[in-house]
Amino acid sequence: RKEVEQDPGPFNVPEGATVAFNCTYSNSASQSFFWYRQDCRKEPKLLMSVYSSGNEDGRFTAQLNRASQYISLLIRDSKLSDSATYLCVLVSSYKLIFGSGTRLLVRP
Amino acid sequence: NAGVTQTPKFRVLKTGQSMTLLCAQDMNHEYMYWYRQDPGMGLRLIHYSVGEGTTAKGEVPDGYNVSRLKKQNFLLGLESAAPSQTSVYFCASSRQLDGTDTQYFGPGTRLTVL
Repeated sequence: RKEVEQDPGPFNVPEGATVAFNCTYSNSASQSFFWYRQDCRKEPKLLMSVYSSGNEDGRFTAQLNRASQYISLLIRDSKLSDSATYLCVLVSSYKLIFGSGTRLLVRP
Repeated sequence: NAGVTQTPKFRVLKTGQSMTLLCAQDMNHEYMYWYRQDPGMGLRLIHYSVGEGTTAKGEVPDGYNVSRLKKQNFLLGLESAAPSQTSVYFCASSRQLDGTDTQYFGPGTRLTVL
């Protein structure tokens, strides 16, 4: 079983829609979690950290559910510029473990 | 600041050839990493370094060697390239090792081995 699993998508949504991605992880000892964004043929960039209490950054909300071992990313009022691949990342033994990503396509 | 830079951006090799990928960062970060990214898979850690003169194996180290002779540079070498090493290679650096600080990535090197 992979340490981090994501639905590859693509999620195809209209502008203005709300979309949510989940990511499950197998290592219950993981302490830190992140969402990274990767545009086509570009490098990954940190989108936001994920805290147990949940955190929000503008239209983006990240949640962590330790009991069920998943993290989520909610995007409200989707923009065309949100089209990208979203990578779920956790820290395990001082290393970053990346999921394979969920692709989002926002259409006009 | 240029951040993290990688050279070259693209390269085509024949099986058995060797090459070195160069990563440079100007943020004075202690920690540097080399990843590879293949279709349908997440980034996988090849090797990493916790400081000048030190290196350690990651998840997929076989077929690669690394060196960190200067703090700002991290080199990834392929001694005898194989088609299975066709991939996109990303270098990254960070202030902390434990993931509490973000990793900054270079733009990637697209390598094809024929």
